[in-house]
Amino acid sequence: GAGVSQSPRYKVTKRGQDVALRCDPISGHVSLYWYRQALGQGPEFLTYFNYEAQQDKSGLPNDRFSAERPEGSISTLTIQRTEQRDSAMYRCASSLGRGPATNEKLFFGSGTQLSVL
Amino acid sequence: QQPVQSPQAVILREGEDAVINCSSSKALYSVHWYRQKHGEAPVFLMILLKGGEQKGHEKISASFNEKKQQSSLYLTASQLSYSGTYFCGTESLTSGTYKYIFGTGTRLKVLA
Repeated sequence: GAGVSQSPRYKVTKRGQDVALRCDPISGHVSLYWYRQALGQGPEFLTYFNYEAQQDKSGLPNDRFSAERPEGSISTLTIQRTEQRDSAMYRCASSLGRGPATNEKLFFGSGTQLSVL
Repeated sequence: QQPVQSPQAVILREGEDAVINCSSSKALYSVHWYRQKHGEAPVFLMILLKGGEQKGHEKISASFNEKKQQSSLYLTASQLSYSGTYFCGTESLTSGTYKYIFGTGTRLKVLA
């Protein structure tokens, strides 16, 4: 596609339910990043992949959060047993190089706004 | 660990200049600047590399002081379209791996 695509755009769920957020990066982009962004704040790093390999997951808040990119393209961020504090905008970004430290800019998706009731 | 930006917010009249600063506690490999408008995704503006090379926007300039681990974004003759929140994105080595971390953000409002 022309840009980074995320779905769903909005997700409302009840506390305790599992959710899966999808990211479809720009075709050919090697690196894929997941960030969480609170209103008015900078994106908070969660995890990133080079191809299908998860290189760094140190930003995932706890073991309820997991991510995968099995074929090196589409990625899914899964949150199990959601809690109200998980409510936020979840953004995906991709870049051409095998990042970080590749001098490649990030292209961001429109994000998924998650609301946990 | 998150880079600190200053000021937190600034209001300008069209045509005025502004400087946004980004300061990190870690040695930086590069600094990127992004602008985010309300309800939209961050958009790339510029990248600054060690050694002084810059790539990016025609009307916006920036500097990168590697020794001080700081970067500044210079907005000259501001336009209404410059309004938004500016973030620096820093690439730094942490615990043996490079991390791409964003700063605290600076809200910029340009008035007619």
